[in-house]
Amino acid sequence: QSVLTQPPSVSGAPGQRVTISCTGSSSNIGTRYEVHWYQQLPGTVPKLLIYANTYRPSGVPDRFSGSKSGTSASLAITGLQAEDEADYYCQSYDISLSAWVFGGGTKLTVL
Amino acid sequence: EVQLVESGGGLVQPGGSLRLSCTGSGFTFSSYEMNWVRQVPGKGLEWISYIMSGGSPIYYADSVKGRFTISRDDAKNSVYLQLNSLRAEDTAIYYCVRKTVGTTWFDPWGQGTLVTVSS
Repeated sequence: QSVLTQPPSVSGAPGQRVTISCTGSSSNIGTRYEVHWYQQLPGTVPKLLIYANTYRPSGVPDRFSGSKSGTSASLAITGLQAEDEADYYCQSYDISLSAWVFGGGTKLTVL
Repeated sequence: EVQLVESGGGLVQPGGSLRLSCTGSGFTFSSYEMNWVRQVPGKGLEWISYIMSGGSPIYYADSVKGRFTISRDDAKNSVYLQLNSLRAEDTAIYYCVRKTVGTTWFDPWGQGTLVTVSS
């Protein structure tokens, strides 16, 4: 059972927009600590996709965007492409656990 | 290029021990905080240990506290994870990940090393 809750799967057709939610609590996302997102393509290691709620590392297309509100966060992907098919994980810090925590991951399928 | 390379994984019996190593290159290793994150194949990610630049403080997830020990040798640009009293549920890919001081995200990740605990 992950501390942060994500939907197990989402899907969309090429060109569409999809969002992935990440729900936490007042001891993690609801604090001053930021939410980050990682993309794990099939057979590869996780890669930082969004950091500090909304920022993209160099090289990440602007089709990917993040937001945070209250005890939840979201990752949005616009103009869906076949190569976006991957597992996506949210991550934050939990002050009650004194631990960095992840969501359970969401598998994105491009139809 | 910033790179993290893990080694030391393998097959070990329940109750056994293993020592994982991670060597960094392409950056000033001593200035960064290092972590270990694991992933059961096909499953999600779990943070398990942190060590600050300078070697202290150190933190562990409750699931490994008292069994795993993290350490670093900045002269060798390396961080280590000693795994003791291993259980079947410790079977996972163990990733070495870098964290910048003052931030809470992990970047980059090593390629991972697989630890299999089985009789």
